[in-house]
Amino acid sequence: EIVLTQSPGSLSLSPGEGATLSCWASQFVSSGYLAWYQQKPGQPPRLLIYGASIRATGIPDRFSGSGSGTDFTLTISRLEPEDFAVYYCQQYAGSPLTFGGGTKVEIK
Amino acid sequence: QLQLQESGPGLVKPSETLSLTCIVSGDSIRSNRYYWGWIRQPPGKGLEWIGSIHQSGNTYFNPSLRSRVTVSVDTSKNQFSLKLTSVTAADTALYYCARQDIVATTSPFSWFDPWGQGTLVTVSS
Repeated sequence: EIVLTQSPGSLSLSPGEGATLSCWASQFVSSGYLAWYQQKPGQPPRLLIYGASIRATGIPDRFSGSGSGTDFTLTISRLEPEDFAVYYCQQYAGSPLTFGGGTKVEIK
Repeated sequence: QLQLQESGPGLVKPSETLSLTCIVSGDSIRSNRYYWGWIRQPPGKGLEWIGSIHQSGNTYFNPSLRSRVTVSVDTSKNQFSLKLTSVTAADTALYYCARQDIVATTSPFSWFDPWGQGTLVTVSS
C-alpha cells in the first residue's frame, strides 16, 4: 500500500499570500498518478489537480501542482478568501487507492 | 451536468448490513469511459476509498474492506450500490460516491470527479 504523508498538518496564512503544500509517498508513484482535492466544511472534496500537474476543469490558475516519484507539491500562488479549506492528495498508481491525511489552510 | 446522489438509511445497527445507492443523472452509467467509486470519511477525519465498479461489472476493492464489501451496478436505473456487512461503530462515516475516468487501458485506477454530496451513516444500537 502506498502511504501518503502530507505536510504541514495545518498552515495559517493571510489572503494574498502564497501556500506550498507537500505530499510524500512511501513508494514511487508511477506516471505521476497523483491528484489533489479541496474540501470545505459540509461539502464533498473537489478535484483540483490530476496527473500531478493538470488542472481540472474550471480550476483557477493560481492552483498548480508539481512533482514526481515520491515528492509532490500543491502551490496556491495568492490565497483568495474561498481557498481556506482542507487539501488532500490521492494516488492512483496502485491499489488500494489512498489519500493523504490532509493539510488545513487557515486564515491568519 | 453530471450529478451523483447517495441514498440509504442514516442509522444501521451493529452487525447488520449497510446498504447505499448512488443515483447518477446527467450521464449514462453505461459509458465505458468510467468507473464508479465509493469513498468514506469518518466525522472529522480523512478519506478512505472503499471500492469501484465498471458498467461491465468489473470491480476492485480496498483489501482492508474486501471481505465485507459488495458493489453492484444497475444500468437500467443508472445507479450503483454499496453493501457493507457486519458493521461496527468504526464504520460510522460520511459515505460518498464519485465517478472515475479511465486513464489507461492497462489500469482501472483513477481520480474521483465529481463527487456526490455524501450521506452520513451512523452505526449504533
